[in-house]
Amino acid sequence: EAQVTQNPRYLITVTGKKLTVTCSQNMNHEYMSWYRQDPGLGLRQIYYSMNVEVTDKGDVPEGYKVSRKEKRNFPLILESPSPNQTSLYFCASSLLPSGTDTQYFGPGTRLTVL
Amino acid sequence: QKEVEQDPGPLSVPEGAIVSLNCTYSNSAFQYFMWYRQYSRKGPELLMYTYSSGNKEDGRFTAQVDKSSKYISLFIRDSQPSDSATYLCAMSAADSWGKLQFGAGTQVVVTP
Repeated sequence: EAQVTQNPRYLITVTGKKLTVTCSQNMNHEYMSWYRQDPGLGLRQIYYSMNVEVTDKGDVPEGYKVSRKEKRNFPLILESPSPNQTSLYFCASSLLPSGTDTQYFGPGTRLTVL
Repeated sequence: QKEVEQDPGPLSVPEGAIVSLNCTYSNSAFQYFMWYRQYSRKGPELLMYTYSSGNKEDGRFTAQVDKSSKYISLFIRDSQPSDSATYLCAMSAADSWGKLQFGAGTQVVVTP
């Protein structure tokens, strides 16, 4: 089954404790992206990757890091989480950059930073 | 000011009515326009995309783009309770097509 998986699905942590949210897709997609979703703000893009070792900033990259060492995985790293990073996070992938191809979203990771 | 503006709703319509959704934007470089549907506690799913101006129809859904007015619309005909969801518009520019800007989303409720 074609899918994008994220782990963990729910996470409660404390300020400053480094964490990683994993994202994996099994469709051999080149394009992957991370978003955060907050009430009233819609989806905001954090980082995206056009291919292995190619990443670029979205609208809200501050406080986040990503890496794309292999095509299927695109982890999101919060080196020192803060309460303003409490949000619902989505990973997505598509064969081509979105706009010309269907983007598949993962189930979401709900993060709470205390 | 946000680059993409979308009324958050909620928009409540009776079953069978036409749902009309729209977004305005300020960046004239946007060329790709998309509509996503998001059910509660789920990730968004792509409904339709349009390149540049014009109309596109897919079953009960019609997407329109008016670049001169920087305005896009989505119409849902013969609405069903299963259409109750949040609808998000999204757009990107041709020279940075990996970078997407989303609207805040409009919550739609279709009542039986």
